[in-house]
Amino acid sequence: GAGVSQSPRYKVAKRGQDVALRCDPISGHVSLFWYQQALGQGPEFLTYFQNEAQLDKSGLPSDRFFAERPEGSVSTLKIQRTQQEDSAVYLCASSLSLAGGEQFFGPGTRLTVL
Amino acid sequence: GQQLNQSPQSMFIQEGEDVSMNCTSSSIFNTWLWYKQDPGEGPVLLIALYKAGELTSNGRLTAQFGITRKDSFLNISASIPSDVGIYFCAVRGGNYGGSQGNLIFGKGTKLSVKP
Repeated sequence: GAGVSQSPRYKVAKRGQDVALRCDPISGHVSLFWYQQALGQGPEFLTYFQNEAQLDKSGLPSDRFFAERPEGSVSTLKIQRTQQEDSAVYLCASSLSLAGGEQFFGPGTRLTVL
Repeated sequence: GQQLNQSPQSMFIQEGEDVSMNCTSSSIFNTWLWYKQDPGEGPVLLIALYKAGELTSNGRLTAQFGITRKDSFLNISASIPSDVGIYFCAVRGGNYGGSQGNLIFGKGTKLSVKP
Protein backbone atom coordinates (compact mmCIF):
# COMPACT_ATOMS: atom_id res chain seq x y z
CA GLY A 1 0.00 0.00 0.00
CA ALA A 2 0.96 3.59 -0.40
CA GLY A 3 0.43 4.76 3.17
CA VAL A 4 1.42 3.83 6.70
CA SER A 5 -0.40 0.75 7.92
CA GLN A 6 -0.91 -0.44 11.47
CA SER A 7 -2.15 -3.70 12.90
CA PRO A 8 -4.22 -4.71 14.63
CA ARG A 9 -6.70 -1.82 14.23
CA TYR A 10 -8.40 -2.76 17.50
CA LYS A 11 -7.03 -4.65 20.48
CA VAL A 12 -8.78 -5.57 23.70
CA ALA A 13 -6.55 -6.81 26.49
CA LYS A 14 -7.15 -7.86 30.04
CA ARG A 15 -5.20 -5.95 32.64
CA GLY A 16 -1.80 -7.55 33.07
CA GLN A 17 -1.55 -8.96 29.54
CA ASP A 18 1.26 -8.07 27.16
CA VAL A 19 0.40 -6.56 23.76
CA ALA A 20 2.36 -5.91 20.58
CA LEU A 21 1.36 -3.26 18.07
CA ARG A 22 2.81 -3.23 14.58
CA CYS A 23 3.60 -0.36 12.23
CA ASP A 24 4.50 -0.67 8.55
CA PRO A 25 5.86 2.70 7.43
CA ILE A 26 5.94 4.03 3.89
CA SER A 27 8.68 2.22 2.01
CA GLY A 28 11.97 4.10 2.14
CA HIS A 29 10.99 6.39 4.98
CA VAL A 30 13.92 6.90 7.31
CA SER A 31 12.15 8.33 10.34
CA LEU A 32 9.44 6.61 12.36
CA PHE A 33 7.50 8.01 15.31
CA TRP A 34 5.07 6.52 17.80
CA TYR A 35 2.40 8.67 19.45
CA GLN A 36 -0.24 7.92 22.08
CA GLN A 37 -3.65 9.61 21.77
CA ALA A 38 -5.96 9.47 24.77
CA LEU A 39 -9.67 10.04 24.25
CA GLY A 40 -10.42 13.69 23.54
CA GLN A 41 -6.74 14.68 23.44
CA GLY A 42 -4.12 15.37 20.84
CA PRO A 43 -1.44 12.79 20.07
CA GLU A 44 1.52 12.73 22.46
CA PHE A 45 5.01 11.69 21.42
CA LEU A 46 6.35 8.36 22.66
CA THR A 47 9.50 7.49 20.74
CA TYR A 48 11.47 8.15 17.54
CA PHE A 49 13.58 5.94 15.26
CA GLN A 50 16.02 6.95 12.58
CA ASN A 51 16.41 3.78 10.52
CA GLU A 52 16.98 1.07 13.15
CA ALA A 53 18.36 3.41 15.81
CA GLN A 54 16.03 4.54 18.57
CA LEU A 55 17.20 8.13 19.03
CA ASP A 56 14.61 9.32 21.48
CA LYS A 57 12.43 7.37 23.90
CA SER A 58 11.78 10.24 26.28
CA GLY A 59 8.01 10.04 25.79
CA LEU A 60 7.58 6.41 26.83
CA PRO A 61 5.47 6.62 30.01
CA SER A 62 7.08 3.71 31.86
CA ASP A 63 9.51 0.84 31.50
CA ARG A 64 6.55 -1.35 30.53
CA PHE A 65 6.67 0.30 27.11
CA PHE A 66 9.26 -0.92 24.64
CA ALA A 67 9.69 -0.22 20.92
CA GLU A 68 11.94 -1.69 18.28
CA ARG A 69 12.68 -1.35 14.58
CA PRO A 70 15.35 -4.01 14.04
CA GLU A 71 15.75 -3.74 10.26
CA GLY A 72 14.91 -0.09 9.85
CA SER A 73 11.46 -0.65 8.38
CA VAL A 74 8.65 -2.34 10.36
CA SER A 75 8.38 -1.25 13.98
CA THR A 76 6.72 -2.88 16.96
CA LEU A 77 5.51 -1.16 20.12
CA LYS A 78 5.21 -3.58 23.00
CA ILE A 79 3.40 -2.88 26.24
CA GLN A 80 3.97 -5.29 29.09
CA ARG A 81 1.57 -5.91 31.96
CA THR A 82 -1.04 -3.55 30.51
CA GLN A 83 -2.92 -1.22 32.82
CA GLN A 84 -6.25 0.53 32.31
CA GLU A 85 -4.49 3.87 31.84
CA ASP A 86 -2.77 2.41 28.77
CA SER A 87 -6.11 2.49 26.93
CA ALA A 88 -5.64 4.86 24.01
CA VAL A 89 -5.09 5.02 20.27
CA TYR A 90 -1.48 4.37 19.34
CA LEU A 91 -0.46 6.19 16.18
CA CYS A 92 2.59 5.54 14.05
CA ALA A 93 4.00 8.13 11.65
CA SER A 94 6.83 7.96 9.14
CA SER A 95 8.85 10.62 7.41
CA LEU A 96 11.11 10.44 4.38
CA SER A 97 13.85 12.67 5.74
CA LEU A 98 15.90 12.80 8.92
CA ALA A 99 13.28 14.08 11.39
CA GLY A 100 12.44 17.34 9.66
CA GLY A 101 10.05 16.29 6.89
CA GLU A 102 6.29 15.84 6.78
CA GLN A 103 5.08 13.02 9.00
CA PHE A 104 2.49 10.69 7.47
CA PHE A 105 0.28 9.00 10.02
CA GLY A 106 -1.22 5.54 10.04
CA PRO A 107 -4.83 4.93 11.12
CA GLY A 108 -3.79 3.90 14.61
CA THR A 109 -4.44 0.93 16.87
CA ARG A 110 -7.17 1.43 19.45
CA LEU A 111 -6.14 -0.40 22.62
CA THR A 112 -8.73 -1.06 25.32
CA VAL A 113 -7.53 -2.55 28.58
CA LEU A 114 -10.28 -4.07 30.70
CA GLY B 1 6.14 20.33 29.56
CA GLN B 2 5.45 22.38 26.47
CA GLN B 3 1.79 23.06 25.86
CA LEU B 4 -0.29 24.42 23.03
CA ASN B 5 -3.55 26.11 23.94
CA GLN B 6 -6.08 25.58 21.20
CA SER B 7 -9.49 27.26 21.03
CA PRO B 8 -12.33 26.86 20.75
CA GLN B 9 -12.59 23.28 22.01
CA SER B 10 -15.60 22.68 19.81
CA MET B 11 -17.86 24.52 17.44
CA PHE B 12 -20.86 23.92 15.29
CA ILE B 13 -20.89 24.91 11.68
CA GLN B 14 -23.62 25.53 9.20
CA GLU B 15 -22.84 24.96 5.55
CA GLY B 16 -21.48 28.10 4.00
CA GLU B 17 -20.24 29.68 7.23
CA ASP B 18 -16.63 30.77 7.78
CA VAL B 19 -14.80 29.15 10.69
CA SER B 20 -11.83 30.36 12.67
CA MET B 21 -9.69 28.65 15.31
CA ASN B 22 -6.39 29.50 16.92
CA CYS B 23 -3.49 28.12 18.85
CA THR B 24 -1.12 29.82 21.29
CA SER B 25 2.01 28.85 23.15
CA SER B 26 4.17 30.36 25.87
CA SER B 27 7.27 29.23 23.94
CA ILE B 28 8.61 30.21 20.54
CA PHE B 29 8.42 27.62 17.76
CA ASN B 30 9.83 27.84 14.25
CA THR B 31 7.32 25.57 12.52
CA TRP B 32 3.55 25.55 12.94
CA LEU B 33 1.37 22.85 11.42
CA TRP B 34 -2.36 22.29 11.10
CA TYR B 35 -3.80 18.76 10.88
CA LYS B 36 -7.27 17.32 10.47
CA GLN B 37 -8.30 13.99 11.96
CA ASP B 38 -11.40 12.07 10.87
CA PRO B 39 -12.89 9.32 13.07
CA GLY B 40 -10.84 6.13 12.97
CA GLU B 41 -8.03 7.75 11.02
CA GLY B 42 -4.68 9.32 11.72
CA PRO B 43 -4.11 13.08 11.42
CA VAL B 44 -3.58 14.45 7.92
CA LEU B 45 -1.46 17.54 7.31
CA LEU B 46 -3.42 20.51 5.95
CA ILE B 47 -1.00 23.42 6.07
CA ALA B 48 2.61 23.90 7.18
CA LEU B 49 4.00 27.31 8.18
CA TYR B 50 7.75 27.94 8.39
CA LYS B 51 8.18 31.71 8.62
CA ALA B 52 6.91 34.21 11.19
CA GLY B 53 4.18 36.35 9.67
CA GLU B 54 3.61 33.89 6.85
CA LEU B 55 0.06 33.57 5.51
CA THR B 56 -0.58 30.37 3.55
CA SER B 57 -3.66 29.09 1.75
CA ASN B 58 -4.74 25.62 0.69
CA GLY B 59 -8.06 25.86 -1.13
CA ARG B 60 -10.63 27.16 1.34
CA LEU B 61 -8.14 26.95 4.20
CA THR B 62 -5.93 29.84 5.26
CA ALA B 63 -3.44 29.75 8.09
CA GLN B 64 -1.08 32.32 9.55
CA PHE B 65 2.12 31.97 11.56
CA GLY B 66 2.08 34.70 14.22
CA ILE B 67 4.79 37.32 14.12
CA THR B 68 5.83 36.51 17.70
CA ARG B 69 6.22 32.81 16.70
CA LYS B 70 3.96 31.94 19.64
CA ASP B 71 0.65 31.58 17.85
CA SER B 72 -1.18 30.59 14.70
CA PHE B 73 -4.71 30.63 13.38
CA LEU B 74 -6.62 28.59 10.84
CA ASN B 75 -9.60 29.86 8.87
CA ILE B 76 -11.99 27.77 6.81
CA SER B 77 -14.13 29.71 4.37
CA ALA B 78 -17.56 28.64 3.10
CA SER B 79 -17.63 25.44 5.14
CA ILE B 80 -19.06 22.25 3.68
CA PRO B 81 -20.26 19.09 5.47
CA SER B 82 -17.00 17.21 4.88
CA ASP B 83 -15.17 19.84 6.94
CA VAL B 84 -16.45 18.19 10.13
CA GLY B 85 -13.72 16.52 12.14
CA ILE B 86 -11.07 17.44 14.65
CA TYR B 87 -8.46 20.05 13.78
CA PHE B 88 -5.13 20.07 15.59
CA CYS B 89 -2.38 22.62 15.64
CA ALA B 90 1.10 21.19 16.12
CA VAL B 91 4.68 22.36 16.43
CA ARG B 92 7.98 20.58 16.16
CA GLY B 93 9.36 19.99 19.63
CA GLY B 94 12.41 17.78 19.36
CA ASN B 95 16.00 18.43 18.50
CA TYR B 96 17.97 15.79 16.66
CA GLY B 97 21.28 17.04 15.43
CA GLY B 98 19.85 20.46 14.67
CA SER B 99 16.64 19.24 13.02
CA GLN B 100 13.35 19.21 14.87
CA GLY B 101 11.49 15.95 15.00
CA ASN B 102 8.64 14.93 17.19
CA LEU B 103 5.42 16.91 17.05
CA ILE B 104 3.65 18.56 19.97
CA PHE B 105 -0.11 18.76 19.41
CA GLY B 106 -2.85 20.96 20.80
CA LYS B 107 -5.95 19.34 22.23
CA GLY B 108 -7.94 19.93 19.09
CA THR B 109 -11.00 21.84 17.89
CA LYS B 110 -13.94 19.61 17.08
CA LEU B 111 -16.10 20.81 14.22
CA SER B 112 -19.64 19.46 14.09
CA VAL B 113 -22.66 20.23 11.94
CA LYS B 114 -25.27 22.52 13.49
CA PRO B 115 -28.41 20.53 14.31
